[in-house]
Amino acid sequence: RKEVEQDPGPFNVPEGATVAFNCTYSNSASQSFFWYRQDCRKEPKLLMSVYSSGNEDGRFTAQLNRASQYISLLIRDSKLSDSATYLCVVYLYNQGGKLIFGQGTELSVKP
Amino acid sequence: DAGVIQSPRHEVTEMGQEVTLRCKPISGHNSLFWYRQTMMRGLELLIYFNNNVPIDDSGMPEDRFSAKMPNASFSTLKIQPSEPRDSAVYFCASNLGDRGLLGELFFGEGSRLTVL
Repeated sequence: RKEVEQDPGPFNVPEGATVAFNCTYSNSASQSFFWYRQDCRKEPKLLMSVYSSGNEDGRFTAQLNRASQYISLLIRDSKLSDSATYLCVVYLYNQGGKLIFGQGTELSVKP
Repeated sequence: DAGVIQSPRHEVTEMGQEVTLRCKPISGHNSLFWYRQTMMRGLELLIYFNNNVPIDDSGMPEDRFSAKMPNASFSTLKIQPSEPRDSAVYFCASNLGDRGLLGELFFGEGSRLTVL
């Protein structure tokens, strides 16, 4: 089983739609969680951290469920510019700061 | 401020040749990571360093791969001999380690390797 698993998609949605991505992780000692965004043929960039209480950044909401070992990202009122691949990332503090990426979920927002 | 700098950006080589990828992390960052990305396997962690010391190289696929960090401002990833299945985008990334946001990695633009 992969350490971090995501539905690869693609998710094809119209502008203005709400879309949600889920990610599961296998290491229960995982310390911290993040969502990254990667545009086509570019490097990944940090989108947002994921806090236990859930957190919001504009149209983006991240949730963490430690008991079920999953993380989610919700995008409301999606824009054309949201089209990208979204990568779930797990930080393993007990392995010296190892950062493990999921395979990514591709999102395509259409007019 | 300069970000993470990788070279070469693109390399096309023939099977059996040695490939050396280079990375200059952001000044002041004390952790450096090498990742490989392919369509089939996504972004895989190959090796990472803290304060120039390799911490975990369990992701290095085989003995043909080696990485060094002789000082805080330079790292290399070497493949010898290269094989077609090594074709991928190789990313270098750095961060402040435990002095910053733990999960915030700053990536270079990547080195796209094609082995014929």
